[in-house]
Amino acid sequence: GAVVSQHPSWVICKSGTSVKIECRSLDFQATTMFWYRQFPKQSLMLMATSNEGSKATYEQGVEKDKFLINHASLTLSTLTVTSAHPEDSSFYICSARPGADQPQHFGDGTRLSIL
Amino acid sequence: AQTVTQSQPEMSVQEAETVTLSCTYDTSESDYYLFWYKQPPSRQMILVIRQEAYKQQNATENRFSVNFQKAAKSFSLKISDSQLGDAAMYFCAYRRRSEKLVFGKGTKLTVNP
Repeated sequence: GAVVSQHPSWVICKSGTSVKIECRSLDFQATTMFWYRQFPKQSLMLMATSNEGSKATYEQGVEKDKFLINHASLTLSTLTVTSAHPEDSSFYICSARPGADQPQHFGDGTRLSIL
Repeated sequence: AQTVTQSQPEMSVQEAETVTLSCTYDTSESDYYLFWYKQPPSRQMILVIRQEAYKQQNATENRFSVNFQKAAKSFSLKISDSQLGDAAMYFCAYRRRSEKLVFGKGTKLTVNP
């Protein structure tokens, strides 16, 4: 089946640093990938849709300069949290689908803790 | 805008029994997809089952089956012979072709031994 790999699974860093999270589709090509944020006991909140070779589409209220998304290839998208602060601490999950008619498959998520 | 409603924040079931999780959605479209995802404590999102709106037959995956009522815009998940490993958050989701997923708020399922 379709596998999405996300790295790292857990990161702790100091306030003010930037953190990069990678999302890879291992056995399929994904022209579109999705980045979600999930607060405890809540549903997934879509942050942005990442399109290979073009700019990401951000959801309303998501800061483009804070959450930089790059989708440089058909198998890799990255999310960089710039100048991270404690309020950015959260669980981030990426997702991709092999085709328009296919279901989305999710990475295992990244637990980000900013001290 | 499309919305997905899961009216049961929490549900519980005895091991080996059957439980049904409810989901309703709002859309004016006729061609779309519906999904149930499971999120165990590990927080990995796992696809449980999917349904294409144009198919009248209800989808089934082993112990998991759905009751898809298109006119009523209802998409419930039935879990038969519940197992301890079924304990998780369950999210219902809607999507039009090539568009983004819309999630419900989730139902926390507890399985009692």
